[in-house]
Amino acid sequence: KQEVTQIPAALSVPEGENLVLNCSFTDSAIYNLQWFRQDPGKGLTSLLLIQSSQREQTSGRLNASLDKSSGRSTLYIAASQPGDSATYLCAVEGNTGKLIFGQGTTLQVKP
Amino acid sequence: DTEVTQTPKHLVMGMTNKKSLKCEQHMGHRAMYWYKQKAKKPPELMFVYSYEKLSINESVPSRFSPECPNSSLLNLHLHALQPEDSALYLCASSQDVWAEAFFGQGTRLTVV
Repeated sequence: KQEVTQIPAALSVPEGENLVLNCSFTDSAIYNLQWFRQDPGKGLTSLLLIQSSQREQTSGRLNASLDKSSGRSTLYIAASQPGDSATYLCAVEGNTGKLIFGQGTTLQVKP
Repeated sequence: DTEVTQTPKHLVMGMTNKKSLKCEQHMGHRAMYWYKQKAKKPPELMFVYSYEKLSINESVPSRFSPECPNSSLLNLHLHALQPEDSALYLCASSQDVWAEAFFGQGTRLTVV
């Protein structure tokens, strides 16, 4: 059974810092891995999708990497801003098309 | 346009009521999903529709009844719910079941 773990559970940083969020999964047989952002009480916003054959994806200040063999992904946020404050969720998709989520990392960026 | 629209945004219903949640997308996606999210927990899959056919039912109680009338619409019919069913219900869609998923803003459901 696939299990997804995100570390840390919460993170507080001053504005301008570069930071890394971690995601690990137990079964390397995945189709893709997706990073989402969720603001309190809102839906999920897709940030980046990494296909199983890819190593990384970039969008603006965000960079996500995937090491399928070790069951790890990282989301790198450069030059953090208060507007980046949210919960970040990673999710892996296996051959059933089902997304399995980690518990999330709640990020607070202080001005 | 990567928008998934859910209505209503908020819903309060009694345990004897019947209500429906609606989800709509116009991206031409052929896979649509219902997820349930409890407070401070990640979303959990309930149902998957692929090409308008139910392909995954995650052993959801029968008081939740999904319906996919066409490729753009997904409904979730609710009846005889329990207070513990109170949650944020999220709809998502993707080009196909293994493609990037896009989520709506959710319906906040409270069962009283």
